[in-house]
Amino acid sequence: GQNIDQPTEMTATEGAIVQINCTYQTSGFNGLFWYQQHAGEAPTFLSYNVLDGLEEKGRFSSFLSRSKGYSYLLLKELQMKDSASYLCAVMDSNYQLIWGAGTKLIIKP
Amino acid sequence: GAVVSQHPSWVICKSGTSVKIECRSLDFQATTMFWYRQFPKQSLMLMATSNEGSKATYEQGVEKDKFLINHASLTLSTLTVTSAHPEDSSFYICSARLLAGGPLSTDTQYFGPGTRLTVL
Repeated sequence: GQNIDQPTEMTATEGAIVQINCTYQTSGFNGLFWYQQHAGEAPTFLSYNVLDGLEEKGRFSSFLSRSKGYSYLLLKELQMKDSASYLCAVMDSNYQLIWGAGTKLIIKP
Repeated sequence: GAVVSQHPSWVICKSGTSVKIECRSLDFQATTMFWYRQFPKQSLMLMATSNEGSKATYEQGVEKDKFLINHASLTLSTLTVTSAHPEDSSFYICSARLLAGGPLSTDTQYFGPGTRLTVL
């Protein structure tokens, strides 16, 4: 079966760095997405990785290793507004999105 | 875990025809379902919020007569794209809200795999 795993909840301190991991097993691979979702709002696109390596975009970076079925989202200089759920999703060989359950990130002052 | 399915996975239709997309929560009841539209590498755009047994609430700019939503049961919501045109080609994603019981319940959305619509 197809499966995406990510931690349910993480806690970090304002100004610190946090890494949210995502492992996947899917039938085929056409890219991995990271979304941020604040409570009551639609998910916001953060990143898309289809090749191995690190993609940096401001305070957020996303890494992919296709051979390991692994990705992480790295958030630097954490701000209180970064408190949200972070969703990992993989597009499979049929161009269907397989979603992780999301990681709730709690930022403490 | 909670599973949400969509049918069909992909559909190709001619301009002017109507297409129905189903969203089902397979192992839980969802009083609220959401319909999103996604363009490549962009954020999900909320189209409407569907509550079981009542009319859907549409976001600004979404034509309710064009995108008909029916939430007939606690496990099924349908989106019908009427008189589809090529500009309606997109990836449509639904999600279902699971409300855990109790005063401190966790409000969690579970997303479907999406339906790719291509209008020729």
